[in-house]
Amino acid sequence: AQSVTQPDIHITVSEGASLELRCNYSYGATPYLFWYVQSPGQGLQLLLKYFSGDTLVQGIKGFEAEFKRSQSSFNLRKPSVHWSDAAEYFCAVGSMFSGGYNKLIFGAGTRLAVHP
Amino acid sequence: GAVVSQHPSWVICKSGTSVKIECRSLDFQATTMFWYRQFPKQSLMLMATSNEGSKATYEQGVEKDKFLINHASLTLSTLTVTSAHPEDSSFYICSAREAGTFPYEQYFGPGTRLTVT
Repeated sequence: AQSVTQPDIHITVSEGASLELRCNYSYGATPYLFWYVQSPGQGLQLLLKYFSGDTLVQGIKGFEAEFKRSQSSFNLRKPSVHWSDAAEYFCAVGSMFSGGYNKLIFGAGTRLAVHP
Repeated sequence: GAVVSQHPSWVICKSGTSVKIECRSLDFQATTMFWYRQFPKQSLMLMATSNEGSKATYEQGVEKDKFLINHASLTLSTLTVTSAHPEDSSFYICSAREAGTFPYEQYFGPGTRLTVT
């Protein structure tokens, strides 16, 4: 079955430090992969997505992610974290189900705290 | 563009009553809408998928008679929690997809926090 694992429940970094959030997926075919950010009490905002082509994907707010098929990973990175990046980050995989409809399967999320 | 709104943003209701949550696509036609439930500090769990004019497809374990979903127009879907109980308290998030767009491209609403007392 398709699944997404985010091994780190909570990460704390200092402002200006680099960041890497881990995501591993289980999917039989070439996956459609996403990273979303959720600020407290808010819905989800798409940071970036991958479905083909260049394995290094650039997103909004200075984020990037690299798809590594051999490791079944899609880790999110940012070279210098800002205090406003403190939020919950979700990795998701797109999956096709019987009946022809598509849905997203989300990981458990990683809560990012940023120290000044 | 691609804005999805939800109303209300929060609601408190008494046990046994029903509550309706609206999800609207403001600047596009949403042929497909999704309803998610999120418990505190947990991930989003898909409850159901609805296509405009069709019956919703519910995920395994979601009670159809308890969580009524209506997608009567291309800009509005509603989730009605019937006979609500405290265990239904949660954060409910909808998302919408526009016809002809990337299959997994979903735009999310800001969520509705439901508290059942």
